[in-house]
Amino acid sequence: GEDVEQSLFLSVREGDSSVINCTYTDSSSTYLYWYKQEPGAGLQLLTYIFSNMDMKQDQRLTVLLNKKDKHLSLRIADTQTGDSAIYFCAERYQKVTFGTGTKLQVIP
Amino acid sequence: EAGVAQSPRYKIIEKRQSVAFWCNPISGHATLYWYQQILGQGPKLLIQFQNNGVVDDSQLPKDRFSAERLKGVDSTLKIQPAKLEDSAVYLCASSPSRRVPYEQYFGPGTRLTVT
Repeated sequence: GEDVEQSLFLSVREGDSSVINCTYTDSSSTYLYWYKQEPGAGLQLLTYIFSNMDMKQDQRLTVLLNKKDKHLSLRIADTQTGDSAIYFCAERYQKVTFGTGTKLQVIP
Repeated sequence: EAGVAQSPRYKIIEKRQSVAFWCNPISGHATLYWYQQILGQGPKLLIQFQNNGVVDDSQLPKDRFSAERLKGVDSTLKIQPAKLEDSAVYLCASSPSRRVPYEQYFGPGTRLTVT
């Protein structure tokens, strides 16, 4: 079955770049997503990428997709304290499968 | 537009009791999802509805969990009887399913504690 893995924790200083990584197993994935979850809230879509793309940029966010290695990353430029949250990658084929989540801590 | 509404926000019950959660999706969204999110894990899909029909319930523990979506709008998820391992946040999401990239809009969730 599908499996999506992420590292559990990332700590960065305010103003630095953050890179959150994700690996997935389903080569038939059509869309890959990054969701953000703040404490006590539901998930919110940040960005997504089609599986036939290798990069997408959206303001401070850059998504890189290596389909051969089934590796997805999210880069947040100029990380702010408001970016502190849990970030989930997810892949979609027939249904959406979420990763385990990476907690991003931004140090002022 | 109004977001996905869920109630209650918190619920504490004893094991073997029953509990029900309610979800009101975004108006016009045909697809509705229920997820279970155990502390420290990603959301796990329990059931997906397309209008009032079930699309996927392969991970729903059907001996104790049930869900319905009457008239293709609101939905309820029920657990009867609850076990300690059911302690989790139950998230409802909806999606305008025919519009790429099939973004899911999540409610705030119901935090269930089973003692």
